[in-house]
Amino acid sequence: EAGVTQFPSHSVIEKGQTVTLRCDPISGHDNLYWYRRVMGKEIKFLLHFVKESKQDESGMPNNRFLAERTGGTYSTLKVQPAELEDSGVYFCASSLIFFGEQYFGPGTRLTVT
Amino acid sequence: GIQVEQSPPDLILQEGANSTLRCNFSDSVNNLQWFHQNPWGQLINLFYIPSGTKQNGRLSATTVATERYSLLYISSSQTTDSGVYFCAVAGETSGSRLTFGEGTQLTVNP
Repeated sequence: EAGVTQFPSHSVIEKGQTVTLRCDPISGHDNLYWYRRVMGKEIKFLLHFVKESKQDESGMPNNRFLAERTGGTYSTLKVQPAELEDSGVYFCASSLIFFGEQYFGPGTRLTVT
Repeated sequence: GIQVEQSPPDLILQEGANSTLRCNFSDSVNNLQWFHQNPWGQLINLFYIPSGTKQNGRLSATTVATERYSLLYISSSQTTDSGVYFCAVAGETSGSRLTFGEGTQLTVNP
């Protein structure tokens, strides 16, 4: 069974540009999460989808971040416009049930110059 | 929100030694997971353990939910055990989102 996959693995963009990250959860997992680790700090929650609905978006830092999960399968996280402080590693995770074990993807390393 | 504290922040061992990593949390939890971050940055699941005790090879974990702590034991450590170990919890009042500790950086020397 394939794990959580993320694309791209690395992205380098200039300040002010737009970047879209993609996450494919484990097949059948209704719960999809986004987390990030910026500036070497701890890993922090961004948002949680249950199927295509946003269950919890309390961790989204500002309106430059937009997450979607159309059809309840893969998800995208768009940053527009990117700022320097957005640099870091963005992780996606999925779980079968609401409080179930979360499995993480390899992450996307975003560098904003 | 829930607070997660891991100790020690850094740990250096000789190969073959045993170690105990601790995770304290400030509220009741619905989920507690231990992860190992490998050299490529990937988070590897070690245990899903909101309560009780589990063992997997040289690793074992115990969560005492009533006292709000979890322990990760590593026996007969190997150089490949090196890396950062994270504890992450989902508090009862915070949905299913995980709150991570700052991690324990483990270095196992040959």
